[in-house]
Amino acid sequence: DAGITQSPRHKVTETGTPVTLRCHQTENHRYMYWYRQDPGHGLRLIHYSYGVKDTDKGEVSDGYSVSRSKTEDFLLTLESATSSQTSVYFCAIGVVGSYNEQFFGPGTRLTVL
Amino acid sequence: GEDVEQSLFLSVREGDSSVINCTYTDSSSTYLYWYKQEPGAGLQLLTYIFSNMDMKQDQRLTVLLNKKDKHLSLRIADTQTGDSAIYFCAESETGANNLFFGTGTRLTVIP
Repeated sequence: DAGITQSPRHKVTETGTPVTLRCHQTENHRYMYWYRQDPGHGLRLIHYSYGVKDTDKGEVSDGYSVSRSKTEDFLLTLESATSSQTSVYFCAIGVVGSYNEQFFGPGTRLTVL
Repeated sequence: GEDVEQSLFLSVREGDSSVINCTYTDSSSTYLYWYKQEPGAGLQLLTYIFSNMDMKQDQRLTVLLNKKDKHLSLRIADTQTGDSAIYFCAESETGANNLFFGTGTRLTVIP
């Protein structure tokens, strides 16, 4: 599992509340990613990071922000949760090397009521 | 942007071969991947192929790449019930670490 944990694993929240999801890695990789998984859409990239304080937007970044103040932690914040953000969120680390593999965390299931 | 497409469902009988197909649009794809997602879990890399290859075999898995048609397939020989999962194809470009995923194909193996 490449030492990736996500917390919480499940969360139910109400529309309009802020939510922060945490991704933690133990192997000091530079590249980290947040995806959301929805039926019929596969995985879509929300934000990614190439290092501490170096982040960029992905395909579906509206309504989300990220922070990376330490190599090991990549936080995803839903500033004001909406029902359309009900999804399963996956964090991944990228290994730049022979074939650019990504390793995924176990996921966080978020329900916005 | 990049577009990666897969059919959503596939059912096969145990012991038969499964073939999962994927098409992509990005002509600068360098690596193409197959990931497996079991229920309630994250994605695990099954295999990958470099864009200058046309076939790769790894035990029961065979990956075929037709670069001209931008078509990728994953063949699973002697499919077992433990192969039931969602399979995602993904691609990345030269010099980039971002992956673009297909919609996923849910494989159901019937005993």
